[in-house]
Amino acid sequence: SQQGEEDPQALSIQEGENATMNCSYKTSINNLQWYRQNSGRGLVHLILIRSNEREKHSGRLRVTLDTSKKSSSLLITASRAADTASYFCATDGNGNQFYFGTGTSLTVIP
Amino acid sequence: KAGVTQTPRYLIKTRGQQVTLSCSPISGHRSVSWYQQTPGQGLQFLFEYFSETQRNKGNFPGRFSGRQFSNSRSEMNVSTLELGDSALYLCASSWTGTGGSYEQYFGPGTRLTVT
Repeated sequence: SQQGEEDPQALSIQEGENATMNCSYKTSINNLQWYRQNSGRGLVHLILIRSNEREKHSGRLRVTLDTSKKSSSLLITASRAADTASYFCATDGNGNQFYFGTGTSLTVIP
Repeated sequence: KAGVTQTPRYLIKTRGQQVTLSCSPISGHRSVSWYQQTPGQGLQFLFEYFSETQRNKGNFPGRFSGRQFSNSRSEMNVSTLELGDSALYLCASSWTGTGGSYEQYFGPGTRLTVT
């Protein structure tokens, strides 16, 4: 399976703290994307990082990519209660075929 | 721009029945992908349509099928429903259809329960 894995599976932090979640994948990629999903809803795209990029920022989000280790990390700084959600990484397979990781469930306690 | 819409939002079916789910992509998007999400298996890719043609297919049995119309709207059909088909079915559309260098816009999903 090309499916990625996020680590940790669940994370609970206090509001204002930083949250870091990791994603590992198995095959070479063109791009890696991170998505957020609120309970039982559709996914929302957060950020895309290309295989030739090592780091990318978007607001309070920082994503790193290490293709040699086939891993990526998502850092959310100064977390808020509204950041409570599940976070998924997705890697591209053949054309438009995406492989999603197992997800990290983040709870931010007010 | 209106987002991706999926109908119906909730559905309860009985084993052995068939079901059709509908997805309307964002205007201008020609690629539509379908995913099945369950607690045990996570998000699994079903298939992707681009300009009315199925371009990619995941590892699902032939009971799962789909199609795309000329206006890019897509339907997926599941025949002979099994209890294990209970899941959240997500549709996603994107602007282009090549290279994986684009973001996908997801609909809210259809929650299918098979009893």
